[in-house]
Amino acid sequence: KAGVTQTPRYLIKTRGQQVTLSCSPISGHRSVSWYQQTPGQGLQFLFEYFSETQRNKGNFPGRFSGRQFSNSRSEMNVSTLELGDSALYLCASSLATGLAGVVGELFFGEGSRLTVL
Amino acid sequence: GENVEQHPSTLSVQEGDSAVIKCTYSDSASNYFPWYKQELGKRPQLIIDIRSNVGEKKDQRIAVTLNKTAKHFSLHITETQPEDSAVYFCAARKYNFNKFYFGSGTKLNVKP
Repeated sequence: KAGVTQTPRYLIKTRGQQVTLSCSPISGHRSVSWYQQTPGQGLQFLFEYFSETQRNKGNFPGRFSGRQFSNSRSEMNVSTLELGDSALYLCASSLATGLAGVVGELFFGEGSRLTVL
Repeated sequence: GENVEQHPSTLSVQEGDSAVIKCTYSDSASNYFPWYKQELGKRPQLIIDIRSNVGEKKDQRIAVTLNKTAKHFSLHITETQPEDSAVYFCAARKYNFNKFYFGSGTKLNVKP
């Protein structure tokens, strides 16, 4: 079974630009989450999508947005890039259905490393 | 919201020694606590997890303990090997929310 696939793996942007990152989850996984990883900060939750609906949201500004398609693939977009947005963006998929007590292990992709100059 | 604190930030041990990493959480509604290992340049991978109705769980050289009253949980690695060198993250998740709060990570260095 193929793992979580993220594209692009590396990208360089300048301040003010926008960027779109893509994530293909493991087949059968309907939950896709996005995390920002920066040195010393660990992983910060951005948002989670399930069946094309944003189900959970972290404490990031509105410049960060996402969506999920009917095939469970997800994209996240960052507009008006700032230097502080430089980070590794990790996508994770899971089997979590939202049913009470159903916990799904997170399977991470290798990430998209964004550098903002 | 939930706040997860992790200590130490770096840990250096001799091969064969034990390593302990500790995390505390703030929200008593959290009920699922996984640990992830991230090797340099690779994706985080789950190594062990524990639910709030269990006090301890072991998997070969790795164990996790949970103290719900004190709101802390710990990762124990025995007989460490050089391949255990990585960054370890603890996390907490609330019941029925697929939103994980991660600690800031512990860089474990196992010296041969």
